[in-house]
Amino acid sequence: SQQGEEDPQALSIQEGENATMNCSYKTSINNLQWYRQNSGRGLVHLILIRSNEREKHSGRLRVTLDTSKKSSSLLITASRAADTASYFCATFDSNYQLIWGAGTKLIIKP
Amino acid sequence: DADVTQTPRNRITKTGKRIMLECSQTKGHDRMYWYRQDPGLGLRLIYYSFDVKDINKGEISDGYSVSRQAQAKFSLSLESAIPNQTALYFCATSDRLAGETQYFGPGTRLLVL
Repeated sequence: SQQGEEDPQALSIQEGENATMNCSYKTSINNLQWYRQNSGRGLVHLILIRSNEREKHSGRLRVTLDTSKKSSSLLITASRAADTASYFCATFDSNYQLIWGAGTKLIIKP
Repeated sequence: DADVTQTPRNRITKTGKRIMLECSQTKGHDRMYWYRQDPGLGLRLIYYSFDVKDINKGEISDGYSVSRQAQAKFSLSLESAIPNQTALYFCATSDRLAGETQYFGPGTRLLVL
């Protein structure tokens, strides 16, 4: 079963614009992570936010977490062509396994 | 992550054949994982291992087996491959002491005819 669900499934924006992706999950969590996957390649960890945190920044990335709504958002500011990728959220379940959403496919148009 | 390698990178096999996918890591991590990814979907956990003597089934272990030959090596076997096992397979590692971040290999693209 998939814990996280990303929204939208696909997003296409112009280079320089901001991109926002959302993730909803079903059960209580200790942390939520965001990963990026370039086409057909392995996933790369972007950022981890713990359940007692509300917002976290890393470079052009901003992640928010609302545990009351069981949702998180990933904002990429000033997008670049190299940001074109799929983005996944993942949460730990009670067995310490990462449960993944289906991902948001982001396309940055030059 | 170049510290996590997978072989082969691509494999075509026939229904009923036994195949093995291998994963090696130089990160010194104690935990290793095998996932599969189907088009348009996220990752699903097949097996995971928290140390050499610890093997656990994941969400979709049926039809698969694993071997943790050493801390650095974790192999996934398909005993009798079937077409719906066609997928992209990823190995990942994590460090119990460093937290929950996982580091992924480049993936193995498997086609079962």
